[in-house]
Amino acid sequence: GQQLNQSPQSMFIQEGEDVSMNCTSSSIFNTWLWYKQDPGEGPVLLIALYKAGELTSNGRLTAQFGITRKDSFLNISASIPSDVGIYFCAGQRAGNNRKLIWGLGTSLAVNP
Amino acid sequence: SAVISQKPSRDICQRGTSLTIQCQVDSQVTMMFWYRQQPGQSLTLIATANQGSEATYESGFVIDKFPISRPNLTFSTLTVSNMSPEDSSIYLCSVEEQLNTEAFFGQGTRLTVV
Repeated sequence: GQQLNQSPQSMFIQEGEDVSMNCTSSSIFNTWLWYKQDPGEGPVLLIALYKAGELTSNGRLTAQFGITRKDSFLNISASIPSDVGIYFCAGQRAGNNRKLIWGLGTSLAVNP
Repeated sequence: SAVISQKPSRDICQRGTSLTIQCQVDSQVTMMFWYRQQPGQSLTLIATANQGSEATYESGFVIDKFPISRPNLTFSTLTVSNMSPEDSSIYLCSVEEQLNTEAFFGQGTRLTVV
């Protein structure tokens, strides 16, 4: 099935560093969602974006809906050890076909 | 957001047997979905669970292998039938409370088939 291009695939950073990851698509989406998944758990919604150009923050997390509606990025500032996990982007089109299209995930490791 | 409970959280099953996974939501929701997540992979949609009618399956998934029930707006089951080791995955229930809203997930069922 279709998947989004999510990068980087993995990151290993020092505590306190900022992190940036992004997703791109060849097609337009009406909604971009960012999730975090911890081991043994289901994905947890971090940020939802509904409008092109929208910039939304949730604590140390900031995400933007690209102007072209074909991309989105997620930034994490001042990383801490509990930021460790896998981050997924997901896009959703308008209309009847509302199935979420998923990125392959970015695995984040934080060195204390 | 809705609270989603999945049971069992994990199981180890013999090949050839079937396992039914339950998804219970603490409030009525419009949409319920079932996903599979193979080890180290992203999420793949199996089907949309429709209340009172047959589920809508994605390409590559069939009702005989993954029968789904949704008798009301708060509950759904997914059965993994005639299991083989290739069915070892995490199975996730997801809900949307209203149309065009965000999807929330249960904690998943980690299935190992031996």
